[in-house]
Amino acid sequence: GAGVSQSPRYKVAKRGQDVALRCDPISGHVSLFWYQQALGQGPEFLTYFQNEAQLDKSGLPSDRFFAERPEGSVSTLKIQRTQQEDSAVYLCASSLGGQGNGYTFGSGTRLTVV
Amino acid sequence: DQQVKQNSPSLSVQEGRISILNCDYTNSMFDYFLWYKKYPAEGPTFLISISSIKDKNEDGRFTVFLNKSAKHLSLHIVPSQPGDSAVYFCAASELSAGNMLTFGGGTRLMVKP
Repeated sequence: GAGVSQSPRYKVAKRGQDVALRCDPISGHVSLFWYQQALGQGPEFLTYFQNEAQLDKSGLPSDRFFAERPEGSVSTLKIQRTQQEDSAVYLCASSLGGQGNGYTFGSGTRLTVV
Repeated sequence: DQQVKQNSPSLSVQEGRISILNCDYTNSMFDYFLWYKKYPAEGPTFLISISSIKDKNEDGRFTVFLNKSAKHLSLHIVPSQPGDSAVYFCAASELSAGNMLTFGGGTRLMVKP
């Protein structure tokens, strides 16, 4: 597709449930990022892939968060045993790489943990 | 410890006037700065950027100014249009950190017709 596609758009999870969020980046984009945006705040970095290699996962808030990009294109962000504080919009972005004109973001997945 | 701050959560401007959105940062290692615009239920979209070797970059109605000594940047929109109403995020990166961006909290701009 022409843009970054994320699914699902909305997810309601019961506390303790595991969730998986999918990101389809722009074809050919080497770099892929996950960000978490809490209500009323700016996006906060979670993790970064270059092709299939996860180069930085310093922003993952706990070991309940796990991300993968096994073939260097589609990525999945998994959250185990969800907590209420995990409620946020999860944004995926991709770029060609390098310090350039910024990323292309997807529309995000709004996760609500009840 | 917020490294990028947007101290004005909202700004209201009359159509045709200038909008000035401000951003301050604390990390002197940041060398690239960007502005993103976000409409409800959409992801942020890139607007304009500036490298630390410059102090001004202009693209149509949008101009970004960088004052490195003050660790301050601003986005000027002139003339403002109702379609500019959105949340604007300032972001910064340092080359050594790859392409990771640190975002401010955003400023909601409302342009009144």
